[in-house]
Amino acid sequence: EVQLAESGGGLVQPGRSLRLSCTISGFTFGDYAMTWVRQAPGKGLEWVSFIRSKAYGGTTEYAASVKGRFTISGDDSKTIAYLQMNSLKTEDTAMYYCGAALTTPGGVFDIWGQGTMVTVSS
Amino acid sequence: DIVMTQSPDSQAVSLGERATINCKSSQSVLYSSNNKNYLAWYQQKPGQPPKLLIYWASTRESGVPDRFSGSGSGTDFTLTISSLQAEDVAVYYCQQYYGIPFTFGPGTKVDIK
Repeated sequence: EVQLAESGGGLVQPGRSLRLSCTISGFTFGDYAMTWVRQAPGKGLEWVSFIRSKAYGGTTEYAASVKGRFTISGDDSKTIAYLQMNSLKTEDTAMYYCGAALTTPGGVFDIWGQGTMVTVSS
Repeated sequence: DIVMTQSPDSQAVSLGERATINCKSSQSVLYSSNNKNYLAWYQQKPGQPPKLLIYWASTRESGVPDRFSGSGSGTDFTLTISSLQAEDVAVYYCQQYYGIPFTFGPGTKVDIK
């Protein structure tokens, strides 16, 4: 069964770092495009980051609000996708979801995890 | 960046009645080389991740009930729920994937009247 499961969220002080993990079941990282999307409490969805599949070069994209601070990657075992978040700001407080495009075009995500909450506060 | 807007912000519809949600993009998301609209619709229920309903503006995702349909082209799109069921209470988002950054609309909340 294809599944995604996020972990690594928590309470962190402004300026600190956090690494989110998205554990993949049923497929291999790199075979499909993946994304991170976040949702601040009571707000709408905000796209954060995207990585193309290996077949499309595995290149990455970022929202302007996180570019230079966040990095999307995968591990060598190809079962985990990461979102490394540095220089965190209070406005990064949100539920973070990872998604994958298994049967859909690269910018459309048909598989999602349940999310992990990140709270940035002193 | 392509800005997505949605209307209405919320609506209450009687069970069995039609719900219509509009989405507008600040520039066309129709790619002329393949004549496809790079527009998707998601449903999100409280405490859950988004669920893909429709992509290419009108292609229903596998397993999505046929009471959900998408239409439109260029900059104006519509999601229609032909006969609202109790389980359709949710927030609905449109998303463009024509360009980076991918952008979502602000969402439309659908409730039962």
